[in-house]
Formats: sequence, structure tokens, C-alpha cells
Amino acid sequence: EAAVTQSPRSKVAVTGGKVTLSCHQTNNHDYMYWYRQDTGHGLRLIHYSYVADSTEKGDIPDGYKASRPSQENFSLILELASLSQTAVYFCASRGQNSDYTFGSGTRLLVI
Amino acid sequence: GDSVTQTEGLVTLTKGLPVMLNCTYQTTYSPFLFWYVQHLNEAPKLLLKSSTDNKRTEHQGFYATLHKSSSSFHLQKSSVQLSDSALYFCALSLSNYNVLYFGSGTKLTVEP
Repeated sequence: EAAVTQSPRSKVAVTGGKVTLSCHQTNNHDYMYWYRQDTGHGLRLIHYSYVADSTEKGDIPDGYKASRPSQENFSLILELASLSQTAVYFCASRGQNSDYTFGSGTRLLVI
Repeated sequence: GDSVTQTEGLVTLTKGLPVMLNCTYQTTYSPFLFWYVQHLNEAPKLLLKSSTDNKRTEHQGFYATLHKSSSSFHLQKSSVQLSDSALYFCALSLSNYNVLYFGSGTKLTVEP
């Protein structure tokens, strides 16, 4: 079964610290996405990627970087974590002709 | 720009009653509309989708009809169950397999 695995499942980070959220998919999908979820805002697109070694900015990219070193892996990097980045982060993948598959999410608390 | 609006943040119903969750969208392109359901501490899962005007789409007892004339894609169910308690997101895409733009979500709580 197609799968998207996120790590860690939850994390507490210190303001100003660096945070890396990882996403691994076994779906052989070309497209991968990072969304953040906040109460009252639904899911908002941060970064996405169509192919390895290439990333695109989504609707709210400020404060985030993304890295797609291989087809299977897509990371979200917070170089200087801030309180406003406390949220739940979801990774998703999809193929050329398939629907999205979401990971289980990473709960990030910045203190 | 392209956007989705869900007007109800919280809906609470008694088991067995009908429900309608509102979704309207804005785009200048031909839209693909989706409903996702997210149970507590789980990933969002696709519930149903449509791009065909005035055609009812059904899945797991839920149904929705895309009405391009009113830019709407409301989710309905004739009789809600306790297990339907979840977050429901309406989402818009500009093609069948493209970036999804989500609404703010509606939390449905079904009481005994």
C-alpha cells in the first residue's frame, strides 16, 4: 500500500533553533508537498516539488526551506524557528494520475 | 486569486439527522473540487471529488454536486453517525492532479 511517512511525529523546538522535518514516500510518486495546519486556517501550502533536486514555493514559504534530494525524500527546514511556526505539518505525495496521499503529520511546538 | 470558503467552523448534530456542509470557491479556471475528511490525530483522506457540473458524486453515504453557476460544492449526508465526527475540508484544484487549495475546514460533531 502506498505510504507517506513523516518524522518526527512530534517535536519541541527552541526559538531561533534549526528544525528539520522529514518525509519519505514509497509510492514512486513524482510530486511531493508540505502543508501546515492551523486551527481556523485549514491546510496551507508551504513548498512543493515536481522532481528530485527541485523545489517550488507555495503560498506561505517565508521562514521555510525545502529539500528534495531524491524522489522518495522531501524535507522541510526551519533555519530559525519562531513561535508563529507552531503548527501541525503534513507531507503529501501524488503521482501523475493519482490522488494525494498524506502522511500522519508532525506536531511542532516552538517555545 | 483562487480560494475556497467554508462558512461553518463548527457543526454539532444529533445522530440520525441530515447534514450539509457549505463550500464555495473562487477561480477563473475550470475547477476540480474535493472533500477531505480528517479524524482526530489522523491524516486527511479523500472523501469525494468532482469536476463535472451538476453531477452528484457519492461515497460512503456522503454526496455532493458541483454547481458551477453558483461556485458551490456542498457536502451532504442524509443521516449522520457518531463515526462521522471529524474535520471536513473542501479543496480546489485547477486540474485533476495539481496543487490543492484548502478551505478552513468544518468540525462536525455528532452526538448520541
